[in-house]
Amino acid sequence: TQLLEQSPQFLSIQEGENLTVYCNSSSVFSSLQWYRQEPGEGPVLLVTVVTGGEVKKLKRLTFQFGDARKDSSLHITAAQPGDTGLYLCAGKTGANNLFFGTGTRLTVIP
Amino acid sequence: NAGVTQTPKFQVLKTGQSMTLQCAQDMNHNSMYWYRQDPGMGLRLIYYSASEGTTDKGEVPNGYNVSRLNKREFSLRLESAAPSQTSVYFCASRGRMGSPLHFGNGTRLTVT
Repeated sequence: TQLLEQSPQFLSIQEGENLTVYCNSSSVFSSLQWYRQEPGEGPVLLVTVVTGGEVKKLKRLTFQFGDARKDSSLHITAAQPGDTGLYLCAGKTGANNLFFGTGTRLTVIP
Repeated sequence: NAGVTQTPKFQVLKTGQSMTLQCAQDMNHNSMYWYRQDPGMGLRLIYYSASEGTTDKGEVPNGYNVSRLNKREFSLRLESAAPSQTSVYFCASRGRMGSPLHFGNGTRLTVT
């Protein structure tokens, strides 16, 4: 089993603050995805990173894939209440092997 | 657009009872998946079907069976439910390899 650890597990911040969520593993992944999940719904894909060192931006969200393709980070600038949710990373090793991280539950307080 | 539809949304079972969770997708996707989500453990793959007519075990298949009824439908069966199977179950589908997973809204199952 490929273990993907996310930190922190819970994060509560004020609107307007910046934050970073980490996703770490001892395994190498061919690609890594980030999902956001809201209560009562399934996860929704935010981004896929493929190349070691790759950085992708999605409005106020910045995603980075580690050089060795074992870890990733998600940075949110000026967090908004609409960013509240469960953030999941998922690493891909084979055709159908997608392993999900343990999740970070973010609450942004207005 | 319906996407991935799961039924039921909620279910309570007694230990030893059986039930089938239903999943259907209307996106003409080839691959379908069943995951369970437990607090602090992320999503874990139970079974998947890479294409119509094939099924394979994931990380945690024990206690479950699946049927890929046709291209649209992929069901998950618990023959004899146990409290350890209390979880939220998600069905997902994907088109071509490398494209994103599309998830349903989940079935919350409690086994007492």
